Amino acid sequence: DVKVTQSSRYLVKRTGEKVFLECVQDMDHENMFWYRQDPGLGLRLIYFSYDVKMKEKGDIPEGYSVSREKKERFSLILESASTNQTSMYLCASSSIAGGRNEQYFGPGTRLTVT
Amino acid sequence: AQSVTQLDSQVPVFEEAPVELRCNYSSSVSVYLFWYVQYPNQGLQLLLKYLSGSTLVKGINGFEAEFNKSQTSFHLRKPSVHISDTAEYFCAVSAGGFGNEKLTFGTGTRLTIIP
Repeated sequence: DVKVTQSSRYLVKRTGEKVFLECVQDMDHENMFWYRQDPGLGLRLIYFSYDVKMKEKGDIPEGYSVSREKKERFSLILESASTNQTSMYLCASSSIAGGRNEQYFGPGTRLTVT
Repeated sequence: AQSVTQLDSQVPVFEEAPVELRCNYSSSVSVYLFWYVQYPNQGLQLLLKYLSGSTLVKGINGFEAEFNKSQTSFHLRKPSVHISDTAEYFCAVSAGGFGNEKLTFGTGTRLTIIP
């Protein structure tokens, strides 16, 4: 089974802090994704990576950056956390094999910025 | 670009009754369609997917969905729901084939089962 793990289930940070959210997948997937989930808005794509050191902006990249130094690990960085970044963050991965686009999700990190 | 509309944000259903969760999509190219389920305090889990072939797709936990190209719909159905089906359900679409890895998600439908 594909396993996607996220470093924390719950995180509380103060405004202005630098925040790192880590995601690791164990299935050698090429693609990795970061989403934020807010009530009534569904999932919105923040950033997408299709290879090591390669990244592409999603729909809402402002205030975020990402890092992918190894194939299995994709980090989301909040350079200076703000209260409007309080949200559930979900990481996902997918394989390009077969062109099927099915994504596998981690359990999520609920981030609160105070 | 693709888009997804889930018209019902909340659907209450009595236990053992049938349910249909609606999903409509918009795309100028052929698509892949997915339904994901999110149980409380968990990530998303794939319920079923349509890639090609038969328009009736069966998934896990007794769910099924029908791809209707003329109506651009992919509604999710279950003939008899259980308390354990209480969750949020997301419909998603991607352009088919290689090089189109991104999914576009709907805003979700919260299914509440009434005992």
